[in-house]
Amino acid sequence: NAGVTQTPKFQVLKTGQSMTLQCAQDMNHEYMSWYRQDPGMGLRLIHYSVGAGITDQGEVPNGYNVSRSTTEDFPLRLLSAAPSQTSVYFCASRRTREGDTEAFFGQGTRLTVV
Amino acid sequence: ILNVEQSPQSLHVQEGDSTNFTCSFPSSNFYALHWYRWETAKSPEALFVMTLNGDEKKKGRISATLNTKEGYSYLYIKGSQPEDSATYLCAFSTGGFKTIFGAGTRLFVKA
Repeated sequence: NAGVTQTPKFQVLKTGQSMTLQCAQDMNHEYMSWYRQDPGMGLRLIHYSVGAGITDQGEVPNGYNVSRSTTEDFPLRLLSAAPSQTSVYFCASRRTREGDTEAFFGQGTRLTVV
Repeated sequence: ILNVEQSPQSLHVQEGDSTNFTCSFPSSNFYALHWYRWETAKSPEALFVMTLNGDEKKKGRISATLNTKEGYSYLYIKGSQPEDSATYLCAFSTGGFKTIFGAGTRLFVKA
């Protein structure tokens, strides 16, 4: 059982480049989300999805797009990378929409924008 | 603005010491409180989910309590071991789709 698979683990981008971080889960979870983690701060929600075809913005959505065409996949797209997007990104899923079930996290992507 | 505060930011203890950390959260619109354990170079893993005032949860040497009326939760580790070294995150949910994470308490256990 793979759980939440997130790729790549590391990425270096030049300012202005675009890229997609991949996230897939095999647990048939309804809810998926993307977070970024910066030093001294908690995980901050970028975008989330409560099911296929449904996405919404989190706390820090600017500069990122998401889509959810299937239950399993929830890619995060950086449209035009900026140094401020240097961070560690985590994808997570949980069984239900509500906040009373545990989240399962991917391994994280360490992104550096130069 | 919902804010989750964790204290201390970091903690150094000796092997065998017992320790505890605090998570403070808004006492209104409470739905659930989560604790996660996050080892370096790994992904966060769930320890506990608590939903009721007065909840107490235990997993081995680790336990947690919840006070929703005053907006705090404690995580206790009894007899700390070097393998307990990690960042402990708490997260607060109001029942919507957004969960707010604290910045974590980083625990170092010296053998």
